[in-house]
Amino acid sequence: NAGVTQTPKFQVLKTGQSMTLQCAQDMNHNSMYWYRQDPGMGLRLIYYSASEGTTDKGEVPNGYNVSRLNKREFSLRLESAAPSQTSVYFCASSEALPGQSSSGANVLTFGAGSRLTVL
Amino acid sequence: AQKVTQAQTEISVVEKEDVTLDCVYETRDTTYYLFWYKQPPSGELVFLIRRNSFDEQNEISGRYSWNFQKSTSSFNFTITASQVVDSAVYFCALSERNTGNQFYFGTGTSLTVIP
Repeated sequence: NAGVTQTPKFQVLKTGQSMTLQCAQDMNHNSMYWYRQDPGMGLRLIYYSASEGTTDKGEVPNGYNVSRLNKREFSLRLESAAPSQTSVYFCASSEALPGQSSSGANVLTFGAGSRLTVL
Repeated sequence: AQKVTQAQTEISVVEKEDVTLDCVYETRDTTYYLFWYKQPPSGELVFLIRRNSFDEQNEISGRYSWNFQKSTSSFNFTITASQVVDSAVYFCALSERNTGNQFYFGTGTSLTVIP
C-alpha cells in the first residue's frame, strides 16, 4: 500500500520558472492538503481540497495554484517561482469530509515530502 | 494569532531521562481534535496520537503518554526513559470541526536524546 506519493522529491528552479508538484493517494481519502515546512515556522497550509471538485485557500496561498484532478490526485503549481518559495512541501490526505467527526476519520497521512529550491 | 503553541523550540536530554513536550492550543469550537506527529531525521511525518475534545482521559502507549487538560488548553506529551531513536521534531496539531477540518500545526519541538 503506497499511501500518499508525491513527486518529485527534489527540484531546483530558477526564479520565474514554473513547476507542478504531483500528489496521489490510494486510500480512497476525501480530503487532500498541501503544506509547506520552513525552519521555525512549522507546517503551514497552502491549499486544501475537502472533497473532489472543491479547493480552498489555506494560510499561505499566494503564488500557488492547485488542481484536484480526481479523488486520488491533488497537484500544486508554482506559476512563477520565487526564492521565498524555497521550502519542503508536504502533501497529505484524510478520510474526513467537512464536519465529519467519526473516530479516526480526520487523521492526516503525509507523503514523504518534496524539497524545492528556487535560486 | 497562533492556534497551537509549542514554546519549547529545542530540548536535549540524556538517554533514559524522561522528557515532556508542551503544547497549548486555542479554539472556540466545542468539537475539536488534537494530534501529535513525529518527524524523525529522515523527514517523514508520522502520526502518533489523536484526541477529541470530549475525551480528557490521559493515554499511555508504551513509553509515550499524553496529558490532555481542557482547563489549561494543553495537550502535553511525555516520553519516559528516552532513547536515541526518540530524537526527532515533534509537532502538535489542532483541527476544528467548524472550519472544515483544517489542521493547524505548532512550530515543533526538536528533541535530541544524547546517548
